[in-house]
Amino acid sequence: DGGITQSPKYLFRKEGQNVTLSCEQNLNHDAMYWYRQDPGQGLRLIYYSQIVNDFQKGDIAEGYSVSREKKESFPLTVTSAQKNPTAFYLCASRIGRNSGNTIYFGEGSWLTVV
Amino acid sequence: KQEVTQIPAALSVPEGENLVLNCSFTDSAIYNLQWFRQDPGKGLTSLLLIQSSQREQTSGRLNASLDKSSGRSTLYIAASQPGDSATYLCAVHSGGGADGLTFGKGTHLIIQP
Repeated sequence: DGGITQSPKYLFRKEGQNVTLSCEQNLNHDAMYWYRQDPGQGLRLIYYSQIVNDFQKGDIAEGYSVSREKKESFPLTVTSAQKNPTAFYLCASRIGRNSGNTIYFGEGSWLTVV
Repeated sequence: KQEVTQIPAALSVPEGENLVLNCSFTDSAIYNLQWFRQDPGKGLTSLLLIQSSQREQTSGRLNASLDKSSGRSTLYIAASQPGDSATYLCAVHSGGGADGLTFGKGTHLIIQP
């Protein structure tokens, strides 16, 4: 089935540790996005990529990094510089940034600092 | 800067009722508006996408309307069922920002059996 797969579903991070969240899509979409969702808050954009080997910072990029080496993959690394990483992370994709098409989301990953 | 507000923040109704969820936005220069459903601990599932040139979209028991000039959209759910319990979010695509999308905080809906 076509869709977006995020892994792991649950992840625990120790202080000072970097962790990477995986996002894979088989929808052949050019644009991919990472959002952070905190309880009772709207989604906030961390990073986005419109094409392979190119990505841009979103509204809250500090403490995060990404790569886009393949069209179908857009992993997010939460670095030790991110002081409040506990949140629900959502990966999304769309055919094109300025298209009128639907944006699709993965099932999300929970990150907790221990 | 586009701002999206959803009212009410939470709603609890008995099964079988028809209900309306509201979404308002401050900048009427939009490409489209999308309604999503989010179950607890899950990702967002797209329900309806309304282009700026459209007035409404329907899918089953769901009907979404768009009044761009007044900056409003409503999601109408007919004959509500307990399985409709979820958080409903709207997102406006207005071309501003890195992804062009601004999300509301959602309406948490509970349908009582």
